[in-house]
Amino acid sequence: AQTVTQSQPEMSVQEAETVTLSCTYDTSESDYYLFWYKQPPSRQMILVIRQEAYKQQNATENRFSVNFQKAAKSFSLKISDSQLGDAAMYFCAYRPLTSGTYKYIFGTGTRLKVLA
Amino acid sequence: DAGVTQSPTHLIKTRGQHVTLRCSPISGHKSVSWYQQVLGQGPQFIFQYYEKEERGRGNFPDRFSARQFPNYSSELNVNALLLGDSALYLCASSDPRWGNYGYTFGSGTRLTVV
Repeated sequence: AQTVTQSQPEMSVQEAETVTLSCTYDTSESDYYLFWYKQPPSRQMILVIRQEAYKQQNATENRFSVNFQKAAKSFSLKISDSQLGDAAMYFCAYRPLTSGTYKYIFGTGTRLKVLA
Repeated sequence: DAGVTQSPTHLIKTRGQHVTLRCSPISGHKSVSWYQQVLGQGPQFIFQYYEKEERGRGNFPDRFSARQFPNYSSELNVNALLLGDSALYLCASSDPRWGNYGYTFGSGTRLTVV
């Protein structure tokens, strides 16, 4: 079965510092996408960053970067220079590219608190 | 620039009733997906529609149904509501910024069943 695990229910970081959120996944597929979504109290899920499994280079979007370890099935998110607006629930998600499969599989989330 | 819009934002229903939730994807985008997010959990896939055809269905009972209209908007219907159907229902659309592999979500409909 394809699963996504986020083992950190909650994390805290001081403003301007760096934090890393962990995610592991289980799949027998070789082609897939991985995502990190942010869900603030407004409830809207916002796509933060995306990684294609066939790319060895780690994705980067401004202050957000990932550490993708395909063999270890690990996909962590690093937030640099944390800001108060980064406080939210963060969900890791997996989407296989198998033909006929369209669903995303989400983890249970990590609540990030940013301390002023 | 209209994103994904959902209505209503909040809804309270009684057990056994029926509910219809609505979603409009990003303008011109033909794919709509529905997810259920129970409090404290990640979203769970319910349906995906593309050009009015069902492309995928998650592990939900037949009480859940959906359809997509010619303008690509979509409805999610739930019959015979149970207390356990209380959740945030999210609609997602493909997004031009991410191509076919990156959803943009709406702000959801919070359904409470009493």
